[in-house]
Amino acid sequence: KQEVTQIPAALSVPEGENLVLNCSFTDSAIYNLQWFRQDPGKGLTSLLLIQSSQREQTSGRLNASLDKSSGRSTLYIAASQPGDSATYLCAVRPHSGAGSYQLTFGKGTKLSVIP
Amino acid sequence: GAGVSQSPSNKVTEKGKDVELRCDPISGHTALYWYRQSLGQGLEFLIYFQGNSAPDKSGLPSDRFSAERTGGSVSTLTIQRTQQEDSAVYLCASGIRAGGSSYEQYFGPGTRLTVT
Repeated sequence: KQEVTQIPAALSVPEGENLVLNCSFTDSAIYNLQWFRQDPGKGLTSLLLIQSSQREQTSGRLNASLDKSSGRSTLYIAASQPGDSATYLCAVRPHSGAGSYQLTFGKGTKLSVIP
Repeated sequence: GAGVSQSPSNKVTEKGKDVELRCDPISGHTALYWYRQSLGQGLEFLIYFQGNSAPDKSGLPSDRFSAERTGGSVSTLTIQRTQQEDSAVYLCASGIRAGGSSYEQYFGPGTRLTVT
């Protein structure tokens, strides 16, 4: 059974710092990996989706990397801003088999960017 | 364009009552998913609809939970005889292919259910 772990569970940084959020998964047979952001009381916003054949994806100040063989992904946020404060979730989709459309989520990293 | 919408945004119900949660997916999305997010837990898959195919109900925690999708669009998740452990945020997502055969999922704001 796929397990997704996110470390740390919470992170507090001063504004302007660059930071890295970590995600690890136990089964490397994934189709893709997706990073989401969740604001309090709101749904999930997709940030980046990396296909299993890709090594990284970039969007603005965000860069996500994927090392499928080692079961790891990182989300790099450059020049953090208070508006980046949210919970960041990592989710993987299995490559094949029954339920291959189901995402398995980590429990998230709660980020606080202090002005 | 319009995203995934869910109603109600909040629902407080007494133990033992039935509740219905509604999801309006993005127009044209053929895939629809329900997830549950309990306090301190990750998102848990509940059920998946794809077009006219039989839904995958493998994630439903008990037979008190059921869901339907009418006309390939709106979906309703029903919880009968609610229990306190059903308290959670219920999230709906709809999907469209994103590169190859991969479905990217777009999430709604969720319904926060509290069973007293």
